[in-house]
Amino acid sequence: ETGVTQTPRHLVMGMTNKKSLKCEQHLGHNAMYWYKQSAKKPLELMFVYNFKEQTENNSVPSRFSPECPNSSHLFLHLHTLQPEDSALYLCASSPRDRGNEKLFFGSGTQLSVL
Amino acid sequence: GQNIDQPTEMTATEGAIVQINCTYQTSGFNGLFWYQQHAGEAPTFLSYNVLDGLEEKGRFSSFLSRSKGYSYLLLKELQMKDSASYLCAVIGNNRLAFGKGNQVVVIP
Repeated sequence: ETGVTQTPRHLVMGMTNKKSLKCEQHLGHNAMYWYKQSAKKPLELMFVYNFKEQTENNSVPSRFSPECPNSSHLFLHLHTLQPEDSALYLCASSPRDRGNEKLFFGSGTQLSVL
Repeated sequence: GQNIDQPTEMTATEGAIVQINCTYQTSGFNGLFWYQQHAGEAPTFLSYNVLDGLEEKGRFSSFLSRSKGYSYLLLKELQMKDSASYLCAVIGNNRLAFGKGNQVVVIP
């Protein structure tokens, strides 16, 4: 148990569907992150939020839309995805958005786009 | 940009020692992490090195040479539960970048 909870654990969606991924952290951290993990590829940073403000968007397509209503919750809204978006989506948190902070990861949502 | 290289997979026997290497190229180096990730689970923190040398923590040790752009994670007295992917992550110019991970398979 890392203190970061993601739901759902698994998601299968069609290309025309709209779905949302949820992340919640119980660690009192102020920075939250979305990462994409594809097979045989490094973890790719998608978005960073620090004190509820988005501080980084790593050239992510607009079909991925993040939302951070408070420092404990992070969402990733998905619409009109492509099959190549199938991957494990990991949420993480850290005390602050600084490069040398240890990250605490959730178990991820395994997404399949059909 | 940052370039991080790790071998993709290795197999080792229970009770043995395994060394997982990571080489990197980056500017503004400010530390290196090792994370462990079991299949279907969250990556979890193992170690952080920012100065040259060896950091020992129980069965796991991590080494860093900044001049060579090189780190390794040493796993001693391997156990079956050590079968996992080991991710090297480098901080350069305050940005964290991950390697592809090294899948370690422990066999009886």
